[in-house]
Amino acid sequence: LAKTTQPISMDSYEGQEVNITCSHNNIATNDYITWYQQFPSQGPRFIIQGYKTKVTNEVASLFIPADRKSSTLSLPRVSLSDTAVYYCLVGDSRGSNTGKLIFGQGTTLQVKP
Amino acid sequence: NAGVTQTPKFQVLKTGQSMTLQCAQDMNHNSMYWYRQDPGMGLRLIYYSASEGTTDKGEVPNGYNVSRLNKREFSLRLESAAPSQTSVYFCASSDYSGSAYEQYFGPGTRLTVT
Repeated sequence: LAKTTQPISMDSYEGQEVNITCSHNNIATNDYITWYQQFPSQGPRFIIQGYKTKVTNEVASLFIPADRKSSTLSLPRVSLSDTAVYYCLVGDSRGSNTGKLIFGQGTTLQVKP
Repeated sequence: NAGVTQTPKFQVLKTGQSMTLQCAQDMNHNSMYWYRQDPGMGLRLIYYSASEGTTDKGEVPNGYNVSRLNKREFSLRLESAAPSQTSVYFCASSDYSGSAYEQYFGPGTRLTVT
């Protein structure tokens, strides 16, 4: 399983764009990159998933360079409610590999007014 | 559509007691999972079930057993609770959904073992 490295914590201010980078040097060919968000006292919530290039949804964008050894989650114009822990996961969740996803410590994002 | 539900929400056990955590999902997902999360830590996978009738060990299976009762339900049993099992337990389910393999999580069970 590919190990991921991401910053332990980040601070931002309301209205700013936040970029959280995750390193995954040993990513395998079949691995996808997935990001989850977790608020205190709640279970994680899926944000976005990608394999290569750029993926965008109503919540965030995910940028993946050609070598796929890193990825960047971009949150546009954050608000106080975006204060949470963000987890980067790398793994192949398809078929018989379902479940083999490892959550690290994540990045605690603190958004200030 | 309730998503993933877990019971109980809170539980206090004495060392050596047993209990079963219940989990159910109404999204017709094939795969289900049990995680534990210790304070300030990420989630660690205990057991998972890729499909009805199959279960596999995750990172930290010792001290736990699971049962995939049917497609909807996946229970986690602690046969002889220990203080080291004090944690928040999350159940999740997943299936291919449009363009992504995302896991949906329940609200968690907060377990304290004294």
